[in-house]
Amino acid sequence: EAQVTQNPRYLITVTGKKLTVTCSQNMNHEYMSWYRQDPGLGLRQIYYSMNVEVTDKGDVPEGYKVSRKEKRNFPLILESPSPNQTSLYFCASSLIGGPGELFFGEGSRLTVL
Amino acid sequence: ELKVEQNPLFLSMQEGKNYTIYCNYSTTSDRLYWYRQDPGKSLESLFVLLSNGAVKQEGRLMASLDTKARLSTLHITAAVHDLSATYFCAVDRGTSGSRLTFGEGTQLTVNP
Repeated sequence: EAQVTQNPRYLITVTGKKLTVTCSQNMNHEYMSWYRQDPGLGLRQIYYSMNVEVTDKGDVPEGYKVSRKEKRNFPLILESPSPNQTSLYFCASSLIGGPGELFFGEGSRLTVL
Repeated sequence: ELKVEQNPLFLSMQEGKNYTIYCNYSTTSDRLYWYRQDPGKSLESLFVLLSNGAVKQEGRLMASLDTKARLSTLHITAAVHDLSATYFCAVDRGTSGSRLTFGEGTQLTVNP
């Protein structure tokens, strides 16, 4: 089954404790991206990647890092989480050269205390 | 800076009625997407509109794009309860959907 898998789905952590949210897709998509969803703000792009070893900042990259060492994986790293990073995070992927519709993961709800 | 505004943000309607959700955006783009999100769930692609005048229909939903007016509409015909969800439009300022700016979302409730 074609899917984008995120882990963990739920996480409560404390300020400053490094964490990683993993994202994996099995559709051989070149493009992957991270979004955060906050009430009243829609979804905002954090980072995106057009292919392996190619990453770029989105609209709200501060406090986040990413890497793309393999085509299927695109982890989101919070080196020193802060309470304003409490949010619902979505990973998405798509085929470059196609219509561009995104396939989203199920989301990861992160709470930073 | 690209701004995407949806109207209305909250919509409560009765089954069987028709209504339209509007999506206005501030800078030129030829690609616009509509997504649906059920409560506590992920986003699901509904429509991809890739050119001026594009119209797509699926069941009771029809989406259109007017790039000159920078406006997309999502029309709901004879609403049913199963359409209750939050609907997002997203405008691409990159290539192939790489830089989407989302609207705030329209929370639709269809009452029996």
